[in-house]
Amino acid sequence: SAVISQKPSRDICQRGTSLTIQCQVDSQVTMMFWYRQQPGQSLTLIATANQGSEATYESGFVIDKFPISRPNLTFSTLTVSNMSPEDSSIYLCSARTDSNQPQHFGDGTRLSIL
Amino acid sequence: GENVEQHPSTLSVQEGDSAVIKCTYSDSASNYFPWYKQELGKRPQLIIDIRSNVGEKKDQRIAVTLNKTAKHFSLHITETQPEDSAVYFCAASKHNQGGKLIFGQGTELSVKP
Repeated sequence: SAVISQKPSRDICQRGTSLTIQCQVDSQVTMMFWYRQQPGQSLTLIATANQGSEATYESGFVIDKFPISRPNLTFSTLTVSNMSPEDSSIYLCSARTDSNQPQHFGDGTRLSIL
Repeated sequence: GENVEQHPSTLSVQEGDSAVIKCTYSDSASNYFPWYKQELGKRPQLIIDIRSNVGEKKDQRIAVTLNKTAKHFSLHITETQPEDSAVYFCAASKHNQGGKLIFGQGTELSVKP
């Protein structure tokens, strides 16, 4: 299965600032996704990162708040913009080689906003 | 949109007993159902999955059953061990929606020695 690396693994940020999270996969994948997991909660899909086109956002998530890039088949970034304490969460990248393969996750980025 | 309900939210069993976690999905077009295990502070890890053309799948102590008519699927863990203690998540997806997964709320399993 694909190995997915995320960085940073954790960060503490000031409110009003932005942070970009990177996700690197060790092989080409057709599908990459970004999830949010609040403490003690389930995983909520933020968006599907589409290679060469704009990301597809889920209800409740907007591009201005969570801009996503996917310049190639192995890399994606998620930016959390104008952060507030409510954005404190774990952000997880996942990838799927193709629709017949399972989806695997990175270790996540634990974000705290003061 | 798709909704996945998972029960129970917590489950405590004695070592050696069986554990069953159940999920119900809303969209009859869903055709892929994975289960993930997440230990504290770790990434979700796939433990077993099933597709809609199969009714049951087994891997050692873990099995998953699917009832398409009732739109529910279950995870069965036999001969539980303390290292099975974790949060388990079910999920569902549709092939024609780009493979995105919709997750259940999670079940915290505690196996007491």
